[in-house]
Amino acid sequence: KQEVTQIPAALSVPEGENLVLNCSFTDSAIYNLQWFRQDPGKGLTSLLLIQSSQREQTSGRLNASLDKSSGRSTLYIAASQPGDSATYLCAVAVASGTYKYIFGTGTRLKVLA
Amino acid sequence: DTAVSQTPKYLVTQMGNDKSIKCEQNLGHDTMYWYKQDSKKFLKIMFSYNNKELIINETVPNRFSPKSPDKAHLNLHINSLELGDSAVYFCASEGVTGELFFGEGSRLTVL
Repeated sequence: KQEVTQIPAALSVPEGENLVLNCSFTDSAIYNLQWFRQDPGKGLTSLLLIQSSQREQTSGRLNASLDKSSGRSTLYIAASQPGDSATYLCAVAVASGTYKYIFGTGTRLKVLA
Repeated sequence: DTAVSQTPKYLVTQMGNDKSIKCEQNLGHDTMYWYKQDSKKFLKIMFSYNNKELIINETVPNRFSPKSPDKAHLNLHINSLELGDSAVYFCASEGVTGELFFGEGSRLTVL
């Protein structure tokens, strides 16, 4: 059974710092992995989608990597800004059994001005 | 123009009542989902539909009945509401690459 864990659960950093959020999953049989951002009281917004054959994806100040063999993904945020404050969730699309996404527990990020 | 829209955004109701949440997507996607986010912000899949056909029913009580009149709409009806049903319910649709698009959520409070 696929389990997705995110560490740390919460993170507080000063503005301008580079930071790394971690996501680990127990079953390497995945189709893809997505990183999402959720602002309070809002829905989830997809940030980056990495297909299982890819190693990383980049969008602006965000870079996500995927290492299927070790069951890990990282989301790197460069030069963090207060507007980056949100909860970040990763989700894996399982390739075992019925196709579906399993979500991680999230990392609550606060960037201090 | 909102890609995935849900209504209502908030519902407050008494135990035992029946309520519905509607979802519409204008992205032309074939696959739509209902997710439940609990008080600890954990997001769990409830149902998925592909082109109006039920694909996943993730051991949800049969008080919950999804309906998809066409592939752009996926509604959720809940009978005999219980306190434990209080949560935020999210609708999502999925593109061909696997990218998920979420609605803003419907916060259900059962008193």
